[in-house]
Amino acid sequence: AQKITQTQPGMFVQEKEAVTLDCTYDTSDQSYGLFWYKQPSSGEMIFLIYQGSYDEQNATEGRYSLNFQKARKSANLVISASQLGDSAMYFCAMRERRSGYSTLTFGKGTMLLVSP
Amino acid sequence: GAGVSQSPSNKVTEKGKDVELRCDPISGHTALYWYRQRLGQGLEFLIYFQGNSAPDKSGLPSDRFSAERTGESVSTLTIQRTQQEDSAVYLCASSTTGGGGELFFGEGSRLTVL
Repeated sequence: AQKITQTQPGMFVQEKEAVTLDCTYDTSDQSYGLFWYKQPSSGEMIFLIYQGSYDEQNATEGRYSLNFQKARKSANLVISASQLGDSAMYFCAMRERRSGYSTLTFGKGTMLLVSP
Repeated sequence: GAGVSQSPSNKVTEKGKDVELRCDPISGHTALYWYRQRLGQGLEFLIYFQGNSAPDKSGLPSDRFSAERTGESVSTLTIQRTQQEDSAVYLCASSTTGGGGELFFGEGSRLTVL
């Protein structure tokens, strides 16, 4: 069974600073994908970034980058130059292959609060 | 529509009543997922639909939960004889295929069972 662990229930950061949200995973699959989603208070899950297990370079999307360390089975999200609008829950997820399709297995999330 | 639409956004019901939650996926998306998110928790997979194929119901927590989808259109999640532990946000997501691409989520239906 696959497992996603996010050890930080909450994180605080000042505006314009960088912050790292931790995620470790456990899988026996050779090919897998890792996702980060943002969930603001509105409740919608917003896709941020994706990393494939065979991707040689760390994924980046604007101010978001994924620090992928395959040997350590970690996929930490780095947000540079934090903004007040970044305050939200952040979920790490792994693609789980089932019979004929894939779904996502989620961690418990990290609440990020950005202060002025 | 432009995104995944869910209704109602909020539902308060009494224990023992049946509730029905609706999801309207992005047009053209063949794959549809239902997830449950309890307070302070991550998302739990409930059920998966792909086109006209038989759904994967392996995540449904009990036989009080059922879901339907006709073709590639709207899906409804029904919870019969609701219990207080059913209180959660029920999120629907769709994707172009079920092969592992990005899931697009709705804003969820918040269910409170008194």
